[in-house]
Amino acid sequence: GQQVMQIPQYQHVQEGEDFTTYCNSSTTLSNIQWYKQRPGGHPVFLIQLVKSGEVKKQKRLTFQFGEAKKNSSLHITATQTTDVGTYFCAGRDSNYQLIWGAGTKLIIKP
Amino acid sequence: NAGVTQTPKFRVLKTGQSMTLLCAQDMNHEYMYWYRQDPGMGLRLIHYSVGEGTTAKGEVPDGYNVSRLKKQNFLLGLESAAPSQTSVYFCASSYSWTNGELFFGEGSRLTVL
Repeated sequence: GQQVMQIPQYQHVQEGEDFTTYCNSSTTLSNIQWYKQRPGGHPVFLIQLVKSGEVKKQKRLTFQFGEAKKNSSLHITATQTTDVGTYFCAGRDSNYQLIWGAGTKLIIKP
Repeated sequence: NAGVTQTPKFRVLKTGQSMTLLCAQDMNHEYMYWYRQDPGMGLRLIHYSVGEGTTAKGEVPDGYNVSRLKKQNFLLGLESAAPSQTSVYFCASSYSWTNGELFFGEGSRLTVL
């Protein structure tokens, strides 16, 4: 079936360093959403991207949707301890079914 | 406004026992979903519902049944639990099929011995 590949699986950063996670789909997506899940918590919606080439910012977070609507990225500038968690992308296929990436776990090194 | 509420939050079962997880939402959403989350595998859709009285199979439906007798409730049943069903289960709801964010419950951690 259709898959959304998300990399890396884990990323260790020093506080203050940047973080990026990438999602790639083999087929065109109708839209893509990003969620954050804190340790022991539940996924919480961050943003939805719909248009080809779309870029949206939320404070230190920058979200991009590729021109072909097959890939997306989330970049966090100057990470803080509150950013710790797992970030998931979820793309809607042509039938609007949500296809989830496996998540990228952000770990802040002490 | 509670959002999405799941009960119970924790449960330990023996192999072969049955149980039901209850999901309730107070946002009048048409669409409801049951996911399971296992380490390193993200979220996998078990069953979903596009409205009261309807259910449909997701990616991993085997061993589970669901019912949506009332719009606000979505029940997930395990008829004969197996160790492979040890997981964290999340219920979610949305107002739109094509374009809506999912609102998740806090999760139900199930262990099958």
